Parts: sequence; C-alpha cells; structure tokens
Amino acid sequence: AQSVSQHNHHVILSEAASLELGCNYSYGGTVNLFWYVQYPGQHLQLLLKYFSGDPLVKGIKGFEAEFIKSKFSFNLRKPSVQWSDTAEYFCAVNALTGNQFYFGTGTSLTVIP
Amino acid sequence: DSGVTQTPKHLITATGQRVTLRCSPRSGDLSVYWYQQSLDQGLQFLIHYYNGEERAKGNILERFSAQQFPDLHSELNLSSLELGDSALYFCASSVGGGGAVVETQYFGPGTRLLVL
Repeated sequence: AQSVSQHNHHVILSEAASLELGCNYSYGGTVNLFWYVQYPGQHLQLLLKYFSGDPLVKGIKGFEAEFIKSKFSFNLRKPSVQWSDTAEYFCAVNALTGNQFYFGTGTSLTVIP
Repeated sequence: DSGVTQTPKHLITATGQRVTLRCSPRSGDLSVYWYQQSLDQGLQFLIHYYNGEERAKGNILERFSAQQFPDLHSELNLSSLELGDSALYFCASSVGGGGAVVETQYFGPGTRLLVL
C-alpha cells in the first residue's frame, strides 16, 4: 500500500533554530508533492508544492523543500523558525495514476520564544 | 479564510444514525475533495468529484457516499454510524483536477463529528 511517512511526530525548537521535517513516500510512479500547515484553530493551508522542474521548491513564510527522487523524500526546511511557525505540518503526495492523495500523519512543531 | 465553507461545524449523533455534511467550494472551483481526519489514522482521502462526476475514490467506506450537485456544492452522507466514525471531516476544492495535473487544494474549516 502507498504511504507517506513523517518521522518526526513532535518537534520543539527555540526561535531562530533551523528546522528540517522529514517526509518519505512509497510510490514508484509520478507524483505531485505538497506541504500543508495547520495553525492552531485554523484550516489547512498550502505551504509549497512540487509538480516538476527544479527539485528545490520555495514556499511561503521562508519555507522550502527539496524533492530527492532517488530517496523518495520531500523534506521541509526553514533556516530560522519563529514563534508564529508553531503549527501542525502535513506532507502530502498525489499519485497521478488513479489520482489518489496520501497524507502523512503530521508533525507538530512548537517554537519556544 | 480559504473561501471553502462547510456546514455544520459540529455534529453529535448516535450510533446507527445517518448524517449529511455539506461543502461549498470556492467560487470558480470545479473540484471537491473529502477527507477524514482521525486521531489514530491521520488525514485520509475519501473521494474526489470534478464538475459533478466522481473522479477518484480513496479509503471511503461503503456506508459513506458523496455527490456533487450542478451548483458544485457537495454533500458527504455517512450512514449506519459507528463510534469509530467520530472524526474531523474536511472538504477541499480546487480550480481543476479533472485531468492529470492537480491544482492546489484549498481546505475548509471542517465538520467535527462525534458519534456517541
């Protein structure tokens, strides 16, 4: 079965620390990749997406992610986190064959001021 | 505010009952997606409709069904409810999604269902 793995369930960082959240997927075909964020009390919103081209994707609020096809990974990074980045982060994969969507279980990020 | 609306926000019902969740997509969006988010299974894709037609099915139980109406709003019907159906049900919409390239999905605030 296809799956998306987010290895870090809960991450706690101090402000200005660097962030890297892991995401691996198991699907051999063509995929579209996404990172979504859910701030406390708000709905899911898109951080960034990868469809094709440059595997290093830049999103909103200083986030970026790198697609490494050989490793089936799409890790999210931010060089310096802020308290306002405290949220739940979800990696998602759209497998084009069958047009299926798979989400990871999410990583809860807490940034301490 | 994503522009996607879902009603009701909260729903409490008993086992064996049937409920209907409603989703209105963003203006101009043709696709509607339904997801279930539970504590133990995370966010699960249920079903995708594009311009009134079913496009893809995910982990949707046979007790669940959905449809998209000519005005593009969608309803998710959950029947013979069980305790395990308690979850947050999200709807998302996108402009396209009818072909191989998938647009960005915009999520609604969700409907929290509690089955007692």
